[in-house]
Amino acid sequence: AQKVTQAQTEISVVEKEDVTLDCVYETRDTTYYLFWYKQPPSGELVFLIRRNSFDEQNEISGRYSWNFQKSTSSFNFTITASQVVDSAVYFCALISGANAGGTSYGKLTFGQGTILTVHP
Amino acid sequence: IAGITQAPTSQILAAGRRMTLRCTQDMRHNAMYWYRQDLGLGLRLIHYSNTAGTTGKGEVPDGYSVSRANTDDFPLTLASAVPSQTSVYFCASSAGAASGANVLTFGAGSRLTVL
Repeated sequence: AQKVTQAQTEISVVEKEDVTLDCVYETRDTTYYLFWYKQPPSGELVFLIRRNSFDEQNEISGRYSWNFQKSTSSFNFTITASQVVDSAVYFCALISGANAGGTSYGKLTFGQGTILTVHP
Repeated sequence: IAGITQAPTSQILAAGRRMTLRCTQDMRHNAMYWYRQDLGLGLRLIHYSNTAGTTGKGEVPDGYSVSRANTDDFPLTLASAVPSQTSVYFCASSAGAASGANVLTFGAGSRLTVL
């Protein structure tokens, strides 16, 4: 069984503040992928990043960075110098085991989502 | 623009009525999925299809059915809608090749209210 927990239901920050969204996952498989998706007010889900279980390198993309730590089963997402346009619901997701490399490519397990509001 | 088209965007439905949510993709992706999004629960997989002609059950399949007659279309049917099926429904697809196969592209969603 796999599980994703996003303990922060809602976060509110003021523009230019840094903010970290937490994601903790559970899986018994050694092969898995982790994802972050953004859902802006328009409603559509936008893919942000994918990491596989064999690559613990952190990643930075502009103001976004991701910290993957297998020791704590966490895949946290940090937005530096937040902007109003970052306001959205952010989802962490996991696919593991046979689903990760097999034919059921997209059978993701999603976390509950974190609502981020960035105030001007 | 390549992507996924869902219809209707929004619908109010009386309980007991039959409803089909339509989903069409033009990316020639092999795999397609239906998720429902509920507050506090994230997205949960209803049904999926790895390739045309095959379907499978996800986490919450009861009360829903799907078909995959061709690569592009993946309709979701509620045979007899109930209020607990009030939700936002997302169709998604992913490519069949190993690289990027599990990265989902989502449609804009269909908001369904069952009264």
